[in-house]
Amino acid sequence: KTQVEQSPQSLVVRQGENCVLQCNYSVTPDNHLRWFKQDTGKGLVSLTVLVDQKDKTSNGRYSATLDKDAKHSTLHITATLLDDTATYICVVGDRGSALGRLHFGAGTQLIVIP
Amino acid sequence: DMKVTQMPRYLIKRMGENVLLECGQDMSHETMYWYRQDPGLGLQLIYISYDVDSNSEGDIPKGYRVSRKKREHFSLILDSAKTNQTSVYFCASSLSGTGGANSDYTFGSGTRLLVI
Repeated sequence: KTQVEQSPQSLVVRQGENCVLQCNYSVTPDNHLRWFKQDTGKGLVSLTVLVDQKDKTSNGRYSATLDKDAKHSTLHITATLLDDTATYICVVGDRGSALGRLHFGAGTQLIVIP
Repeated sequence: DMKVTQMPRYLIKRMGENVLLECGQDMSHETMYWYRQDPGLGLQLIYISYDVDSNSEGDIPKGYRVSRKKREHFSLILDSAKTNQTSVYFCASSLSGTGGANSDYTFGSGTRLLVI
């Protein structure tokens, strides 16, 4: 059973618009949550990591929230650029130790058009 | 630039052939991973290596084995490849072990394997 669900599956926005990506999970325990960006044909690059029960992070035009009570996270991208075209992957880490595992969502494919 | 390098980038093999995927990292990371990525699915963990000759099965180890004889190098081996092993394989490494929020994960660019 998929433990990390992302929505939407795909999204098309015009350059300059804002967008919000959603991540719902059932992983227990939930030590932390990461968002990765994956350009086509490339590896995953970490954007941010959220740790606290209710957490917020900001990294340039990317901002993210986490609510562990709701097991829900959002990734906001402000003023999108063509280079934001990529797949964004939500990942939940279940422990903060060597016994931990990462649980990956299938990703949201974002396409930014001129 | 600190990085994880995977070779080859693309590979076509016939069913039943042996396959060797190579991964190297230049960050002296202790922990290394092999994942596969299939359309519509999240990355699935095949094997973890905690250090030289210290390897553990992940969630889908069947049909795969690994080798880590040097800290900077981690190989994935498919003995007698099957068509359902067609996938994109990613290697990753981290400094602080697996799971922690402070673990510095670095991914390679992937090897695209087609088994015909």
